[in-house]
Amino acid sequence: GQQLNQSPQSMFIQEGEDVSMNCTSSSIFNTWLWYKQDPGEGPVLLIALYKAGELTSNGRLTAQFGITRKDSFLNISASIPSDVGIYFCAGQLGAGSYQLTFGKGTKLSVIP
Amino acid sequence: DTAVSQTPKYLVTQMGNDKSIKCEQNLGHDTMYWYKQDSKKFLKIMFSYNNKELIINETVPNRFSPKSPDKAHLNLHINSLELGDSAVYFCASSQARGLANEKLFFGSGTQLSVL
Repeated sequence: GQQLNQSPQSMFIQEGEDVSMNCTSSSIFNTWLWYKQDPGEGPVLLIALYKAGELTSNGRLTAQFGITRKDSFLNISASIPSDVGIYFCAGQLGAGSYQLTFGKGTKLSVIP
Repeated sequence: DTAVSQTPKYLVTQMGNDKSIKCEQNLGHDTMYWYKQDSKKFLKIMFSYNNKELIINETVPNRFSPKSPDKAHLNLHINSLELGDSAVYFCASSQARGLANEKLFFGSGTQLSVL
C-alpha cells in the first residue's frame, strides 16, 4: 500500500517558537490533509489542500501542497501550550479513491 | 450534539470474549469508517461503508465484523478477542463517495484493552 513518511516523529519547543513538519510520499496525491489529535480524542481536520503549490492558512497554521504533489508541509507560528498534540498528514490518491493514507504523526510538546 | 459518537469510551475485557462497539453520526454523511490506532499512534483503516454497503475491507481478521443497519450507524463486533486487539478504535464519517469524501470526521475513540 501507499506509505507516507512524516517527520519529525516528535518535537519539543518553547512557547512562542515556530514549528515545521512535513510529509513525503513515493506516490502522487491529489489531496493532502492535516489533522490534529488531542489526548483522548479523535483527529480533527485542520487544513485541506487540493492543488499543487496551494498554500492555505487556518489561524496560526499554514500548510502547503508541494509542487511535485508528493509532499506537504505544515507550519505553526508562535506556538502556544494548546498546540500540544499529535499532528497527522493524510493523502488521498484522487478520483475514485476514497481511502486516506495517514502519516505516522508528529507529536508536539510545547514548553511554557 | 456530538457529530460522530461512539460507545463505549473504554472497554476492558478478557481474552476470548466477544464485544461490540457502536457508532452513530448525525451529520447526514453517506460513508462511515472504522480505523484502528495502535500503541504507536499509527492510524489504519479497517472498514468503510457507503449507504450500508461495504466498500473497503482491509486485511482484517474474520473475527471483526462490521454491521451497518442504516447509513447513520456502523457497529463493530469482535469475536474471540485476542491480546493484539488492544488498541483505540475510531469511527469516522464523510460525505458521499467521490464528493469531498476526504474530509473525515472522527469520533472520540474506544480504547479496547484485552487482558
